[in-house]
Amino acid sequence: AQKVTQAQTEISVVEKEDVTLDCVYETRDTTYYLFWYKQPPSGELVFLIRRNSFDEQNEISGRYSWNFQKSTSSFNFTITASQVVDSAVYFCALSEAVDFQKLVFGTGTRLLVSP
Amino acid sequence: DVKVTQSSRYLVKRTGEKVFLECVQDMDHENMFWYRQDPGLGLRLIYFSYDVKMKEKGDIPEGYSVSREKKERFSLILESASTNQTSMYLCASSYPTSRNEQFFGPGTRLTVL
Repeated sequence: AQKVTQAQTEISVVEKEDVTLDCVYETRDTTYYLFWYKQPPSGELVFLIRRNSFDEQNEISGRYSWNFQKSTSSFNFTITASQVVDSAVYFCALSEAVDFQKLVFGTGTRLLVSP
Repeated sequence: DVKVTQSSRYLVKRTGEKVFLECVQDMDHENMFWYRQDPGLGLRLIYFSYDVKMKEKGDIPEGYSVSREKKERFSLILESASTNQTSMYLCASSYPTSRNEQFFGPGTRLTVL
């Protein structure tokens, strides 16, 4: 069965620190998609990234980067030089090819960035 | 911009009441979803719909039903609200393609007394 584990419940950092949010997934499918969403205090989840299982290239978008490693079933998210506006709950999610329209979410990691 | 709206941000109801949570999206998405979010449990799928008049149970459908009479609107119904249904309810929509990111509404925080 598919499962997403975000072992870090809450992380606190000081502004400008780098921080990595961990995501470990389980699936029997060879074709699947991985996602990260951000939920700011306003409550609305915002899509950040989607990767498919055949694309293991790491991705960088500004201060955000993602490290996808199939060997360890991980899809970790790093924020470089964190800012107060990065404070949010971050969710990792997985969908499988058998029904790729359904997402299974992890329990989320709350990131607190203090000035 | 895709917009998913939910009828209320905050709602307080009494045990046994019938509760309707409404969700509307304006991007002509075929797929719509209802989740509940609880601390330590993340998002759990209640019901989803891939087309008008169509509905499928998610992981935790007990105590809920849904209605999708129009493509843009997906309603979640609590037939007889109970205190354990106090939660944040999130609606989402998406296209039925491999670009399957879901777009979320702002959520409804429901308190059942």
